[in-house]
Amino acid sequence: LAKTTQPISMDSYEGQEVNITCSHNNIATNDYITWYQQFPSQGPRFIIQGYKTKVTNEVASLFIPADRKSSTLSLPRVSLSDTAVYYCLVGFLSGSARQLTFGSGTQLTVLP
Amino acid sequence: SAVISQKPSRDICQRGTSLTIQCQVDSQVTMMFWYRQQPGQSLTLIATANQGSEATYESGFVIDKFPISRPNLTFSTLTVSNMSPEDSSIYLCSVVASRYEQYFGPGTRLTVT
Repeated sequence: LAKTTQPISMDSYEGQEVNITCSHNNIATNDYITWYQQFPSQGPRFIIQGYKTKVTNEVASLFIPADRKSSTLSLPRVSLSDTAVYYCLVGFLSGSARQLTFGSGTQLTVLP
Repeated sequence: SAVISQKPSRDICQRGTSLTIQCQVDSQVTMMFWYRQQPGQSLTLIATANQGSEATYESGFVIDKFPISRPNLTFSTLTVSNMSPEDSSIYLCSVVASRYEQYFGPGTRLTVT
């Protein structure tokens, strides 16, 4: 299973861009990289997913280098409501097979 | 996307008893999972709930302790058996949408005294 490592916590100010990096040195060929956001007392919420290079959606960007041993979630212009725990998940789902390893999570605190 | 509900949302139970948690999805899904999230920790996959067959358990989790049912494509239950304080956690179910995107239920917060 791919083991993931994330910073435990990060602080930022409103309006800034935040980059959270996840290391996954033993990522497998079939693995995708997915990021989730979790608020207290709620289940995780899907943010973005990628396999390689760069993926962008309406809320975030995901940068994955060619060796895929790390990934960076980029949140543009954060607000107070972005204060949450962010998890990277490395794994694959195929039929009855699944390998799902959540990172330890990064507590992002956005300050006014 | 999928809308997932769980019952109960929280419970306080005595050691030695069992609790069954229900997970209901608003659409038919193939893959459904059960996770545990201990206080202040990340999520750990317990098992895959397979429709019409026995669940597939991850290392460290066994059927006698966490029996799972999946009678159809929209519903599953997880039972936490013979509970001890170490079982105090949040239990979450999830389903897989397109391209490996998982949608999670709100979780069931279990406290064992």
